[in-house]
Amino acid sequence: AQKVTQAQTEISVVEKEDVTLDCVYETRDTTYYLFWYKQPPSGELVFLIRRNSFDEQNEISGRYSWNFQKSTSSFNFTITASQVVDSAVYFCALNSGSARQLTFGSGTQLTVLP
Amino acid sequence: ETGVTQSPTHLIKTRGQQVTLRCSSQSGHNTVSWYQQALGQGPQFIFQYYREEENGRGNFPPRFSGLQFPNYSSELNVNALELDDSALYLCASSSPAGGLRETQYFGPGTRLLVL
Repeated sequence: AQKVTQAQTEISVVEKEDVTLDCVYETRDTTYYLFWYKQPPSGELVFLIRRNSFDEQNEISGRYSWNFQKSTSSFNFTITASQVVDSAVYFCALNSGSARQLTFGSGTQLTVLP
Repeated sequence: ETGVTQSPTHLIKTRGQQVTLRCSSQSGHNTVSWYQQALGQGPQFIFQYYREEENGRGNFPPRFSGLQFPNYSSELNVNALELDDSALYLCASSSPAGGLRETQYFGPGTRLLVL
């Protein structure tokens, strides 16, 4: 069975602060992919990153960075120097085994205050 | 490149009615997945269509059904609507060539309210 846990329901920060969103996953498969999506108030899920289980190298894209640690089954997402436009719900998702579907966490509502 | 589109954007129905939601996949994508997102929760997988056939199904009753057409667009049909069916319905398209690593790209969703 697949499971994704995002323990942080809501986070509020002041603009320019750094913030880390946690994601812990469970799967018995050795091959799997992890994803992060952003959902602004409009509702559309916007793809941010995909990571496979064999590549633990951390990734940075502008103000975004991701820390993948297989030892702790975590795939955390950090926003550096947050901006008001970063306010959204962020979802971590897992795709593994024979399943073709994404298993999502419950999401973290990030609010960045000016 | 055209993204995923969905129609209608909003819909209000009454309990017991039937509803059809539509999705056009991103150009070059031949796989469509449907998800239900209740308020305050993460999306839940309903089913996936590939080459006009159902290619996986989540834990949803048979009154949730779908179709995929030769142009890869898709429909989600829900019969005998219940109050708990009120949710945001998201469609995602992808290319199956990459297997597990395929990225699903989502449309803006249809907000369904059942009264």
